[in-house]
Amino acid sequence: DGGITQSPKYLFRKEGQNVTLSCEQNLNHDAMYWYRQDPGQGLRLIYYSQIVNDFQKGDIAEGYSVSREKKESFPLTVTSAQKNPTAFYLCASSPGQPGSYNEQFFGPGTRLTVL
Amino acid sequence: GQQVMQIPQYQHVQEGEDFTTYCNSSTTLSNIQWYKQRPGGHPVFLIQLVKSGEVKKQKRLTFQFGEAKKNSSLHITATQTTDVGTYFCLMDTGRRALTFGSGTRLQVQP
Repeated sequence: DGGITQSPKYLFRKEGQNVTLSCEQNLNHDAMYWYRQDPGQGLRLIYYSQIVNDFQKGDIAEGYSVSREKKESFPLTVTSAQKNPTAFYLCASSPGQPGSYNEQFFGPGTRLTVL
Repeated sequence: GQQVMQIPQYQHVQEGEDFTTYCNSSTTLSNIQWYKQRPGGHPVFLIQLVKSGEVKKQKRLTFQFGEAKKNSSLHITATQTTDVGTYFCLMDTGRRALTFGSGTRLQVQP
């Protein structure tokens, strides 16, 4: 059963703590993406990766970090430097490179609340 | 840089009325995709438009890509309560720059 999984669905953290959000896909997709969505807002790109061991900053990368050690996995770390981390985080993947006319498949998202 | 706009931000209709959302870009697009996000859910791909002036239909949904490839619209005929959600466009300039529109939230009154 192919798809993208994100865990956990809900996450609570204290201010000042780093937190890592998991994203795994078994679709054999090359490209993976992280987006942030705030209430009533669109999706803003945080980071994307086109290939293992390579990733690029999106529009709002400050305060976030990623790694792409395996094709299937693209974890996102929300650091204490991120000024307003409470949001809904969505991971996506696509079979080709960004800009290559491929639809994106989204995971169910992680709702992060920083107290 | 690329300027994008999606309007309206929100629309409330009576069931059976039509609905349209528009996306506009300041730069020419290589393609545009449309996604639907149900309340509490994640975006799901609806369609991709590539050719200038392209029109595609999916049952009650009609998607158009402008002749200049700078704008697009999604039209729903005779809305149903199952159409509730937020509709996003994803604009691709073909230079590995992907930008989502801010979305149009559709509410359908039964």
